[in-house]
Amino acid sequence: GIQVEQSPPDLILQEGANSTLRCNFSDSVNNLQWFHQNPWGQLINLFYIPSGTKQNGRLSATTVATERYSLLYISSSQTTDSGVYFCAVNYGGSQGNLIFGKGTKLSVKP
Amino acid sequence: KAGVTQTPRYLIKTRGQQVTLSCSPISGHRSVSWYQQTPGQGLQFLFEYFSETQRNKGNFPGRFSGRQFSNSRSEMNVSTLELGDSALYLCASSLSGTGNGYTFGSGTRLTVV
Repeated sequence: GIQVEQSPPDLILQEGANSTLRCNFSDSVNNLQWFHQNPWGQLINLFYIPSGTKQNGRLSATTVATERYSLLYISSSQTTDSGVYFCAVNYGGSQGNLIFGKGTKLSVKP
Repeated sequence: KAGVTQTPRYLIKTRGQQVTLSCSPISGHRSVSWYQQTPGQGLQFLFEYFSETQRNKGNFPGRFSGRQFSNSRSEMNVSTLELGDSALYLCASSLSGTGNGYTFGSGTRLTVV
């Protein structure tokens, strides 16, 4: 099956710093999403981005589908950005089955 | 518009019991998927329902089952609970379940003692 790898697994930043999280996937996908899991466990949808670039405030994401990777950029990080960031993909014929990476645990220190 | 609603938020059960979790999707969404999250295995797909039919199923034993009602609300049931079933159970709703974005509920944290 399709493999999803995220890097780095852990990241510690000072407030105000920028960061880039990476997601590599092993096959063609028709859906790619970035999620932030808050301390209470809810997965908050950040971007639905099977290809191209999107921006939302301090966050932006780019997916290069032909090279099978996606990047999540966080600028001017804040302590509230702490948590685990997941990349998840869905591919043809796999209804409802999002394949998740293991996540990047981000800690932003004041 | 209302998001995905999961109930209950927390649950404590004894080994051998059974449990039913509920998920109400976003209005108009017909696909509901269920996931189990544990520290060791991460997020794993359980099953997906669309228009009251199970279309896809992950690698979980038959003790894990689900169903979907005509209003798209879904329930999942775990019978004969084991300690290893302790986990966060998340459901996600989507318009069609393929090629669309998924929105997750807040989850149900199940503890089996």
